[in-house]
Amino acid sequence: GIQVEQSPPDLILQEGANSTLRCNFSDSVNNLQWFHQNPWGQLINLFYIPSGTKQNGRLSATTVATERYSLLYISSSQTTDSGVYFCAVALYSGNTPLVFGKGTRLSVIA
Amino acid sequence: GAVVSQHPSRVICKSGTSVKIECRSLDFQATTMFWYRQFPKQSLMLMATSNEGSKATYEQGVEKDKFLINHASLTLSTLTVTSAHPEDSSFYICSAQTTRVREETQYFGPGTRLLVL
Repeated sequence: GIQVEQSPPDLILQEGANSTLRCNFSDSVNNLQWFHQNPWGQLINLFYIPSGTKQNGRLSATTVATERYSLLYISSSQTTDSGVYFCAVALYSGNTPLVFGKGTRLSVIA
Repeated sequence: GAVVSQHPSRVICKSGTSVKIECRSLDFQATTMFWYRQFPKQSLMLMATSNEGSKATYEQGVEKDKFLINHASLTLSTLTVTSAHPEDSSFYICSAQTTRVREETQYFGPGTRLLVL
């Protein structure tokens, strides 16, 4: 099956710092999503981004489908950004389940 | 975005009992829903695909007789953990995909924490 690797596994930032999270995947995908899992376990949709670049406030993401990686940028980090960031992909379009990476655990300290 | 709810959010039960978890799509219809399981400090692993009006499809290693899935309507899927044991303690999360918008985005419920004593 498809492999999804995220790096780094853990990241500690000072409030206000910027960071880049990476997601590598082993096959062509039709769906790629970034999620933030908050301390209560809720998965919050950040981006649907199988290709291209998107921005939403302090967050932006870029997927280079031909090179099979995606990057999530967090600028001016805040303590509320803490949690686990997951990249998840699906090989096919339509109603297909997502395959998750192991996540990046981010801690933002004041 | 679309909204997916789960009930209950947390359940504690004795070993040997059965527990039912509901997953509802609140503002869209979902012919397919997915059930995932997450152990502490691990990633989400797909358990099964729930199809409205037909049998669920289970991932390898997931016991279909232990984890009963019923997708009775276009907005409701249920997961029943039968004869639960302590090793079934986990965080169970459902998801559904809406075709309301152009993007094929999956939305996740808030999850159900199961603790089997």
